[in-house]
Amino acid sequence: AQKVTQAQTEISVVEKEDVTLDCVYETRDTTYYLFWYKQPPSGELVFLIRRNSFDEQNEISGRYSWNFQKSTSSFNFTITASQVVDSAVYFCALSEETDSWGKLQFGAGTQVVVTP
Amino acid sequence: NAGVTQTPKFQVLKTGQSMTLQCAQDMNHEYMSWYRQDPGMGLRLIHYSVGAGITDQGEVPNGYNVSRSTTEDFPLRLLSAAPSQTSVYFCASSRSGTSGALAYEQYFGPGTRLTVT
Repeated sequence: AQKVTQAQTEISVVEKEDVTLDCVYETRDTTYYLFWYKQPPSGELVFLIRRNSFDEQNEISGRYSWNFQKSTSSFNFTITASQVVDSAVYFCALSEETDSWGKLQFGAGTQVVVTP
Repeated sequence: NAGVTQTPKFQVLKTGQSMTLQCAQDMNHEYMSWYRQDPGMGLRLIHYSVGAGITDQGEVPNGYNVSRSTTEDFPLRLLSAAPSQTSVYFCASSRSGTSGALAYEQYFGPGTRLTVT
């Protein structure tokens, strides 16, 4: 069963618009980690953020922000004032204590297209 | 540091051929993994290792073998290539947990694009 769901397949925005990517996860563990990765058109995977299950503080890093809500099992990602360079596929991923910390379970990804 | 390196970058195989995808990391990471990426399916775990001599299956292990004789290297072997194995393959590594955190981000190699005809 898919443990990480990214329901949005593709989001298209015009530059300077904000865009929010949804991530819903499923786990029975109380200890787990969530991650976001970016895959630009060049194909490499770039780590963006890691969050553990005990830290529900929202985080802002430049134009990026993350909203972690355990009550709804969601870890959403917002890009503020999008730029063309933000065009990429974004993946949400889960690592669970009872599985193995060496394993990541990925969502299907959301393609973000930013046009000038 | 070179990080995670993968060879080759591209490979075309005929059905039934075997080959090994190479992966190496120079960060002294305990954990290493192989994923395949297919359109619309994200990345799926093939095999992973939590240390030299220790490997385990992921979500889609059939048709693939791994071994981990050193911390640095984690090769992926395709035993008898099939068209269904056409994909992009990524190797990744991460440090093991510490008192500061139980899990760390994985660092990915540049990928190998494999086509099986």
